[in-house]
Amino acid sequence: GAGVSQTPSNKVTEKGKYVELRCDPISGHTALYWYRQSLGQGPEFLIYFQGTGAADDSGLPNDRFFAVRPEGSVSTLKIQRTERGDSAMYLCASSFQAGVTTGELFFGEGSRLTVL
Amino acid sequence: AQSVTQLGSHVSVSEGALVLLRCNYSSSVPPYLFWYVQYPNQGLQLLLKYTSAATLVKGINGFEAEFKKSETSFHLTKPSAHMSDAAEYFCAVSGSNNNDMRFGAGTRLTVKP
Repeated sequence: GAGVSQTPSNKVTEKGKYVELRCDPISGHTALYWYRQSLGQGPEFLIYFQGTGAADDSGLPNDRFFAVRPEGSVSTLKIQRTERGDSAMYLCASSFQAGVTTGELFFGEGSRLTVL
Repeated sequence: AQSVTQLGSHVSVSEGALVLLRCNYSSSVPPYLFWYVQYPNQGLQLLLKYTSAATLVKGINGFEAEFKKSETSFHLTKPSAHMSDAAEYFCAVSGSNNNDMRFGAGTRLTVKP
């Protein structure tokens, strides 16, 4: 498709389980970003990739969170031993390049994670 | 480091009335400033952006914002609200790269008939 695609759109899991959230960015976009949005809050930066490498992972809350982008396109956000506090909307965005500020981050519709 | 503060988590206006959504920023470098809009069940989309050119920036759907360095503000306005403007609006700031973009908590705009 033409836009950023995120799957699943909704994920309900139990505390302690492992979860993967997938993001398929716009073709040709080298930069990819993950944000987390809790209810009533704005998007909170988690990690960004330039190509295959995580150029900035300073927003990941702890070592239960990890993200990969092995081929420089699709990215997977992985959450181990989920906790109820991980419940949020996880947003993915992409842009043509990260080194220049264009502001044009293209967001997907998000993956809503609920941890019971 | 950059940050933004949006004053007012909810704003309600009547159809045809002025829309004013407030945003103040903090930045250690000359900022780039943005407004994004999120309609129900949709992803965020860019409404307008300030990148050190003209201080009055016009965006889509009749919205505009003015960069005021002396007030560290970037308020969003629209002269006449339309029902279709009802959405969540986010102010964002970045420094020299897209990767350090940071968002405010958002303002939910309600438009009453």
